[in-house]
Amino acid sequence: EVQLVESGGAVVQPGGSLRLSCAASGFTFTDYAMHWVRQVPGKGLEWVSVINWDGGSSYYSDSVKGRFFISRDNSKKSLYLQMNSLRTEDTALYYCVKEGGFFSDGVFYGGVFHHWGQATLVTVSS
Amino acid sequence: DIQLTQSPSFVSASVGDRVTITCRASQGISTYLAWYQQKPGKAPELLIYAAATLQSGVPSRFSGSGSGTEFTLTIGSLQPEDFATYYCQRLNSFPYTFGPGTKVDVK
Repeated sequence: EVQLVESGGAVVQPGGSLRLSCAASGFTFTDYAMHWVRQVPGKGLEWVSVINWDGGSSYYSDSVKGRFFISRDNSKKSLYLQMNSLRTEDTALYYCVKEGGFFSDGVFYGGVFHHWGQATLVTVSS
Repeated sequence: DIQLTQSPSFVSASVGDRVTITCRASQGISTYLAWYQQKPGKAPELLIYAAATLQSGVPSRFSGSGSGTEFTLTIGSLQPEDFATYYCQRLNSFPYTFGPGTKVDVK
């Protein structure tokens, strides 16, 4: 059974830093790209960042680019999100998400979010 | 960036009703679209990918259609466990934009 367990959420002041972690189990970690998706409680979903299987490529949403950094340690089956220069608008639940490898009619569909963790809450407030 | 809109934002429906949700993309995205269901306090769950392919284990009362800029998610006969919020999501190209969501509530 796939399990994704996030940790590291906390209350932090604006301008502060935080590091989120996600412990993965139940699948071959190195076979999949991994993502962070966030959600302000009661609001919609926002994709934050992705890292490929070996950590060689990563992409970010414009809202976090230059402030957040995604990384992974395949030996520990863990995903991380280093969050710097935090703003009040970064307050959200942060989900660790495993991308699935989905094909339909021979076409590969990237970015399908197959498995989600239960999220960790980050609150940025003075 | 491509934007996704959903309509309606809210649906009030009864068990047994047929419910249709529309997702529109600001530019054509072929069939690179997924649908998710989210219940309160829970993580989203994948329903459909490639616009119309049902994820394994998802009941057949859910169906998806569309391509290009207009997509629909249909619940053929609403069940009590289907009251939730539904999101569409663009696939295959960054950023992986989500629609704003459609809440299906009890009438």
